[in-house]
Amino acid sequence: RKEVEQDPGPFNVPEGATVAFNCTYSNSASQSFFWYRQDCRKEPKLLMSVYSSGNEDGRFTAQLNRASQYISLLIRDSKLSDSATYLCVVRGGGFKTIFGAGTRLFVKA
Amino acid sequence: NAGVTQTPKFRVLKTGQSMTLLCAQDMNHEYMYWYRQDPGMGLRLIHYSVGEGTTAKGEVPDGYNVSRLKKQNFLLGLESAAPSQTSVYFCASSDGAQETQYFGPGTRLLVL
Repeated sequence: RKEVEQDPGPFNVPEGATVAFNCTYSNSASQSFFWYRQDCRKEPKLLMSVYSSGNEDGRFTAQLNRASQYISLLIRDSKLSDSATYLCVVRGGGFKTIFGAGTRLFVKA
Repeated sequence: NAGVTQTPKFRVLKTGQSMTLLCAQDMNHEYMYWYRQDPGMGLRLIHYSVGEGTTAKGEVPDGYNVSRLKKQNFLLGLESAAPSQTSVYFCASSDGAQETQYFGPGTRLLVL
């Protein structure tokens, strides 16, 4: 079993749709969680950190469920510019950072 | 600020050749990292550094060496390239172990 698992997609959604991604992790001692966005042939960029209480940034909402060991990302009112690969990142103690393989999203007009 | 830069952007090597990838950051970060990204897999940590003059092995260090002679630079070396090292290499830096990692634009390496 991979330490961090994501549905690779692709998710094909129309503009304005709401889409949700889940990510599961295997290490219950994991300490911090992030969503990164990666455009085609570009570097990953931090989208948002994920806190236990859940957090929201505009159209993006991230949530953490420690009991079930998953994190989620909800995108509301999808835009064409949201098309990208979304990487789930889980960090343990020290420098152990595990990247998921990513979920591809295509938003179509 | 340029952030994190990487050179070269793209390189083709023959099996057995050597090369050095350069990463530079202007954010005065202590921590620097080298990752590789392969299709269908997440980024995997090759080596990292917690400060000038220090280096440590990551998840997939075999076939690579690194050096951090200056705080702003982190070099990744391939002494004898193999086709299995065909990949996209990303450098990153951060202010601390649990802080946000900022990535460079990547180096695409093809080993024939």
